[in-house]
Amino acid sequence: SAVISQKPSRDICQRGTSLTIQCQVDSQVTMMFWYRQQPGQSLTLIATANQGSEATYESGFVIDKFPISRPNLTFSTLTVSNLSPEDSSIYLCSGGTARNNEQFFGPGTRLTVL
Amino acid sequence: GENVEQHPSTLSVQEGDSAVIKCTYSDSASNYFPWYKQELGKRPQLIIDIRSNVGEKKDQRIAVTLNKTAKHFSLHITETQPEDSAVYFCAAISFQKLVFGTGTRLLVSP
Repeated sequence: SAVISQKPSRDICQRGTSLTIQCQVDSQVTMMFWYRQQPGQSLTLIATANQGSEATYESGFVIDKFPISRPNLTFSTLTVSNLSPEDSSIYLCSGGTARNNEQFFGPGTRLTVL
Repeated sequence: GENVEQHPSTLSVQEGDSAVIKCTYSDSASNYFPWYKQELGKRPQLIIDIRSNVGEKKDQRIAVTLNKTAKHFSLHITETQPEDSAVYFCAAISFQKLVFGTGTRLLVSP
């Protein structure tokens, strides 16, 4: 399985600020994704992080609110901007390969917005 | 787009019993169906998967079956143990992206 690390593991932020989450994957991963998981809920895909180009966002998620970078194959960041309490959630990155579709998740970042 | 439904939402069994979780999907082009186990406060872990060219796959106490005609797939856990207690998510692939079911909370009582 792929090794995926993520930081920070948790943070408490003030309303109106931003939080940037980092995700590092090992070299066998070619695809990277960002998900949100609200308490007691399933995983919702935010976007696919594309290497060297703009991310592909799912319906309901926009670049201004969730800017994503992927400067190289193994690293990506997700920023959650202009935070509100509704953004309190767990954010997870995942990595996979197009070859076999397997996806493995990072440990998640628990965000609390006050 | 793909839609994945999962049931039951909660499942309580006695240790040693079997547990079955069922999912249906809508996109007949989907060809990969993973199952994830998520313990409290932990990341989802891939526990088993099945591809559309296979009807059944087993790994020790867990098995997954797939019925492409009916567009449903199921997770079977035999001889359940307390450490099997977790939330289980099914998923289906659509355009290289996973679409998840709503999850099943499994509680195995000693």
